[in-house]
Amino acid sequence: DVVMTQSPLSLPVTLGQPASISCRSSQSLVHSDGNTYLNWFRQRPGQSPRRLIYEVSNRDSGVPDRFSGSGSGTDFTLKISRVEAEDVGVYYCMQGTHWPRWTFGQGTKVEIK
Amino acid sequence: EVQLLESGGGLVQPGGSLRLSCAASGFTFSSYAMSWVRQAPGKGLEWVSTISNSGGSIYYADSVKGRFTLSRDNSKNTLYLQMNSLRAEDSAVYYCVPASGTNWGQGTLVTVSS
Repeated sequence: DVVMTQSPLSLPVTLGQPASISCRSSQSLVHSDGNTYLNWFRQRPGQSPRRLIYEVSNRDSGVPDRFSGSGSGTDFTLKISRVEAEDVGVYYCMQGTHWPRWTFGQGTKVEIK
Repeated sequence: EVQLLESGGGLVQPGGSLRLSCAASGFTFSSYAMSWVRQAPGKGLEWVSTISNSGGSIYYADSVKGRFTLSRDNSKNTLYLQMNSLRAEDSAVYYCVPASGTNWGQGTLVTVSS
């Protein structure tokens, strides 16, 4: 199975400051169809996960533009340009390229300093 | 609006069985592969099983293979997960998720304990 490795696992941030989460995969996430199925989810305390970014860099409907995704191959990043209080939660990267065996990163806990 | 309503969780003894259901609405259920993803208390997300839109192809994580059986009834827009020979390490919130990954239900909690 593809192993997804996130860093850091804990990310204390100051309100209004940027934040960045790295996600690396043990195999290339480029699918044979040419797309890269790397998604980012956020899970707020007590809630179900919500997808924020799909196919590396596409924001889901309703996701603020302070969230951006980038990367290619095996190396990906989620950035929050200015952290707000509502951004607190655990962020997961997930690969869907090697379907049906989705694999997730360990999660990065974002909290306010 | 897409809705996914999981049910069937509860407390069961080791070695016991449970059947989870996921009632889907707001999208063409029969067009989508569906998966179960679980989350042990305080832990991360783990893919459990996936079924193709027709039900003709089914896949399992090694951790549940031979013990869990995934099925679907497209006439009822419902996904099922039969869980047998349950172990303590199967304790988790179980989510059903369409292939897109866009929508998640609230999940159903399974606790395996004596």
